[in-house]
Amino acid sequence: SQTIHQWPATLVQPVGSPLSLECTVEGTSNPNLYWYRQAAGRGLQLLFYSIGIDQISSEVPQNLSASRPQDRQFILSSKKLLLSDSGFYLCAWRPGYGEQFFGPGTRLTVL
Amino acid sequence: GESVGLHLPTLSVQEGDNSIINCAYSNSASDYFIWYKQESGKGPQFIIDIRSNMDKRQGQRVTVLLNKTVKHLSLQIAATQPGDSAVYFCAENSIQTGANNLFFGTGTRLTVIP
Repeated sequence: SQTIHQWPATLVQPVGSPLSLECTVEGTSNPNLYWYRQAAGRGLQLLFYSIGIDQISSEVPQNLSASRPQDRQFILSSKKLLLSDSGFYLCAWRPGYGEQFFGPGTRLTVL
Repeated sequence: GESVGLHLPTLSVQEGDNSIINCAYSNSASDYFIWYKQESGKGPQFIIDIRSNMDKRQGQRVTVLLNKTVKHLSLQIAATQPGDSAVYFCAENSIQTGANNLFFGTGTRLTVIP
C-alpha cells in the first residue's frame, strides 16, 4: 500500500533562517507531487506541483522553492524565512488522476 | 478555483441531525470532484468522489450530489456524530499545463453539538 511521510512534524524557526521540509512517498512510482500551505482557519493554497523528477511548477511567487531530486521525494526550501511563511504545510501525491492523498503535515512557526 | 484568502464559513448542527455542506465550483469543464475532511492538526482525508457523468453517489452515511447546470456540489452527512466535526473541502479536477490539478474550495467548518 502507498504511504506518504512528512518531516519534521513541527518546526519553530527564526526570521531569516533557512528551511527544508521533506516529503517522501512509498508504494508508488512516478506520482504527481504537491506542496500546499494552509494558514490558520483558512483554505489550501497550492504552492508547487511536480509531474516528474526535476520538473517543478510554481503556482504562487514567493521566497519558497521546491525540488524533486528523486521520483518519490519532494523538498520545500527557503533561504530566508519570513514571518508570513508560518503555516501548516501539506505534501500530497496523486497517481495522475483520481484521489489525491495528503501527508500528515508540518506545522511551521516563524518567530 | 481557490479562495484561500477567505475565512472558513461555519455550520453547526445537532447530533443526530443531517448535515448539508455546499460548494460552488468555477470550471464547467471540470470532470471529477472530491470531498475531503480535515480534522484539526491533520492532513485532509478522502471522503467520497464523483465523476461528472454522475449526479449522485452514496457512501457510508454520506451522499454527494452534483448539479452541473449550476456548477454546484453538495455533501450530505446522515445522522451527524460528534466525530464528524471538522473542516470539509470540496475539490474539482482541472487539467492545466500537462498536469491534473485539484483546486480546492474555501472549506466549511462543521461543528456538531452534542
